[in-house]
Amino acid sequence: DQQVKQNSPSLSVQEGRISILNCDYTNSMFDYFLWYKKYPAEGPTFLISISSIKDKNEDGRFTVFLNKSAKHLSLHIVPSQPGDSAVYFCAASYQGGSEKLVFGKGTKLTVNP
Amino acid sequence: NAGVMQNPRHLVRRRGQEARLRCSPMKGHSHVYWYRQLPEEGLKFMVYLQKENIIDESGMPKERFSAEFPKEGPSILRIQQVVRGDSAAYFCASSPSRSRGGYTFGSGTRLTVV
Repeated sequence: DQQVKQNSPSLSVQEGRISILNCDYTNSMFDYFLWYKKYPAEGPTFLISISSIKDKNEDGRFTVFLNKSAKHLSLHIVPSQPGDSAVYFCAASYQGGSEKLVFGKGTKLTVNP
Repeated sequence: NAGVMQNPRHLVRRRGQEARLRCSPMKGHSHVYWYRQLPEEGLKFMVYLQKENIIDESGMPKERFSAEFPKEGPSILRIQQVVRGDSAAYFCASSPSRSRGGYTFGSGTRLTVV
């Protein structure tokens, strides 16, 4: 049973445009969410996170939005750059400060020049 | 400051052999996490350790798998009597303290069981 779902295996956008990556979760016990980026043959790199007490967090070109009622979060990248081409993973952490993360299967983003 | 170092990068084992995966955390980091990524899947949590202690092993298979993080030296993930289904990428991460996921991952060890 997948508790964190990324329903789009891939996404292709033009350089300079906005990339929107989506993530849905099913477990109400999650209260902290993260996005990671992963290049081939490398480990994931932490990008940005958001606590369930917020609905938006911004860091440079990256913004994460959280809709608790819909159990949905999204990562916006503006403007998209070719170097952003990678697999993006959504992850969630349980209430109580759990160190254990539950990951989605990832979305492969391709930014075309 | 070197990142999280995992070795070997690639490991091939025959069915029934033992696999030992090593992880040296970043300098100053005393918290280590192991995750496994099966083909076409996301990362799955296996175990969380601090120096000499296993804090959370809820993701570890009940048999054949063990992990340690001794006072001196790297963290070791040990898989006894490997089977084809153990073929995966194993990632280690570290943090200086409890961090709720904002930790640094290594580049992984790709285990292939033949």
